[in-house]
Amino acid sequence: GNSVTQMEGPVTLSEEAFLTINCTYTATGYPSLFWYVQYPGEGLQLLLKATKADDKGSNKGFEATYRKETTSFHLEKGSVQVSDSAVYFCALGSANQAGTALIFGKGTTLSVSS
Amino acid sequence: GAVVSQHPSRVICKSGTSVKIECRSLDFQATTMFWYRQFPKQSLMLMATSNEGSKATYEQGVEKDKFLINHASLTLSTLTVTSAHPEDSSFYICSAIPRWQVNVVRGYTFGSGTRLTVV
Repeated sequence: GNSVTQMEGPVTLSEEAFLTINCTYTATGYPSLFWYVQYPGEGLQLLLKATKADDKGSNKGFEATYRKETTSFHLEKGSVQVSDSAVYFCALGSANQAGTALIFGKGTTLSVSS
Repeated sequence: GAVVSQHPSRVICKSGTSVKIECRSLDFQATTMFWYRQFPKQSLMLMATSNEGSKATYEQGVEKDKFLINHASLTLSTLTVTSAHPEDSSFYICSAIPRWQVNVVRGYTFGSGTRLTVV
């Protein structure tokens, strides 16, 4: 079945450092891929998405490219800020199955210090 | 658009009592809503899929009689934790699909979650 594997955290960085959070997936067909962010005590917010191979999703300085050949969707940001401290979830959705739930990775906690 | 409201945000209840959590789509009709449970520092575990007007589909290992889900209208789904015990303490999050959305490419909208503490 479909699954998502995310690098385990926590990831601790200094402000302005480069961030990479790895995400790989297993899926049949052509899934859509997402990154969600969860700030402390809150629900999930969609950060970015990509719906087909070679698509690049981007938002708030974060980027991720849908790589079909390596089945990956790594999240990157060139210069993190303290306000980026949160838990990041990689998720997969089956575009062929309307109404099916997203499948999430285990989440990666990012802590940025000033 | 596509805002999902979840209420309450926090609830503390005594062991043995029941708690109802509401998930409302504020500016759209949702034919399908999902209920997730999140343990501390862990990922989201899908509990059930709720379709308006029909019985919810529960994931393996989720007790139907303990976690009652009702999706009586296109804008409201409720999760009732019956006879709650301390092990039911968790963060519960709902997610909804707009009626007009036929696939997942836009992503789904999530509520802000409910922190349940059973004492």
